[in-house]
Amino acid sequence: DAGVIQSPRHEVTEMGQEVTLRCKPISGHNSLFWYRQTMMRGLELLIYFNNNVPIDDSGMPEDRFSAKMPNASFSTLKIQPSEPRDSAVYFCASSSTGNYLKLFFGSGTQLSVL
Amino acid sequence: RKEVEQDPGPFNVPEGATVAFNCTYSNSASQSFFWYRQDCRKEPKLLMSVYSSGNEDGRFTAQLNRASQYISLLIRDSKLSDSATYLCVVGGYSTLTFGKGTMLLVSP
Repeated sequence: DAGVIQSPRHEVTEMGQEVTLRCKPISGHNSLFWYRQTMMRGLELLIYFNNNVPIDDSGMPEDRFSAKMPNASFSTLKIQPSEPRDSAVYFCASSSTGNYLKLFFGSGTQLSVL
Repeated sequence: RKEVEQDPGPFNVPEGATVAFNCTYSNSASQSFFWYRQDCRKEPKLLMSVYSSGNEDGRFTAQLNRASQYISLLIRDSKLSDSATYLCVVGGYSTLTFGKGTMLLVSP
């Protein structure tokens, strides 16, 4: 079975550019999470969706960040405009009803903003 | 106080050694507890859940102390393949809070 699929694996961009990260959760999972990981702050929850509806976006740093989940099999995290301090690894994770705290992570997107 | 605190390490141990990590959490209302493992440049993966009565999975033993709000992970007979970062994770109603992790390095 395919796990959580994220793209791209690596993204290098210049400050001010728009960045879009993509995630396909495990089929049948109805919760999707976006995390950001840095050495300084560890893994931080940015936003999570349940049945495609954003439930808690209090972790989204600022208005430059936005996330969507148009259907059960696809989500995006967009940063516009990007800044060097956004450089991090962004993980998407999914889980299923009844076991919602058992997260399955994608391989992550390594974002570098120059 | 941070929500979930761990000693970052690294813990350097020889093969075959027993090593233990602790983790403290600040929210007394936390309901679920886990240890995740993260290899270098990889995604975190669930290692084991932590139950109130303590639980064991092979060489790994997890303990929970609600009164003192800490969780522990004991690894017996360490293997080279155990080298990784171990993340303490605490669950609320619907989300998980991750510690920054403890790095373990097992040497031959």
